[in-house]
Amino acid sequence: EPEVTQTPSHQVTQMGQEVILRCVPISNHLYFYWYRQILGQKVEFLVSFYNNEISEKSEIFDDQFSVERPDGSNFTLKIRSTKLEDSAMYFCARGTTTGRREQFFGPGTRLTVL
Amino acid sequence: EDQVTQSPEALRLQEGESSSLNCSYTVSGLRGLFWYRQDPGKGPEFLFTLYSAGEEKEKERLKATLTKKESFLHITAPKPEDSATYLCAVQAGNTDKLIFGTGTRLQVFP
Repeated sequence: EPEVTQTPSHQVTQMGQEVILRCVPISNHLYFYWYRQILGQKVEFLVSFYNNEISEKSEIFDDQFSVERPDGSNFTLKIRSTKLEDSAMYFCARGTTTGRREQFFGPGTRLTVL
Repeated sequence: EDQVTQSPEALRLQEGESSSLNCSYTVSGLRGLFWYRQDPGKGPEFLFTLYSAGEEKEKERLKATLTKKESFLHITAPKPEDSATYLCAVQAGNTDKLIFGTGTRLQVFP
C-alpha cells in the first residue's frame, strides 16, 4: 500500500512563529498519526486522528498543537507559537484500510526553530 | 509504564557476518510488535508485525521472532545496503499509538 507525502521537507522558523506541517495521503484513509523525533532520540507519539476527530493525544500534544483535515484530504499539524525545543523531525503516519495495527510513515518534515 | 528497550545501541558487522538485534518490552496487553528500518533523515520503513509469542516473519535476509518478553531481528549474511537504524515498537492495551525503542544502529562493512 502507498504511504503518505509530507510538505514541506524542511521548515525553518523563528521562535514564537506559527507553523503548519502537511500530510497528504495517497488514497483515502481514516487513521492518521503524528510523531516526532528529536535529533538522536526515539520516535515519540503526538496524536492519533480517526474519522476527522482526535482519538488520542500524548502529554507532548499540549494547547500549542492542533490537527485538522481542512479539505477532507490534507492532514495538518499546527504549532501555534514555536519554541526552540520543538525542533525535530515530524512524521505523519497512516493506518491500514483494514484495521489499526501497522502504521506507514511519510518521509518527514524537518522543523528548525531559531 | 510501557517500555521498550533495544540492544545493542550500535553494531558493526563485516559483510556476511550474521547477528541478532534484541528488543525487550514491558507492556500491559501486547497488541503487536513492529520492526522498522530507518535511514538517516528519512521516515521509518515498515518491516514486520508480530502478534503472539512463537510467531516468526521473514523478508530476504531478515527474520523477526517474538517471545513473551522480547523480540529478535536476525540478520543473515548482511550486505552493506542493510546498514540503517532498526527500530522496534509496540502497541498495547486499547491504544493505537506506537511506543518506540531507541533503535540499533547497524553498520555493515564490505
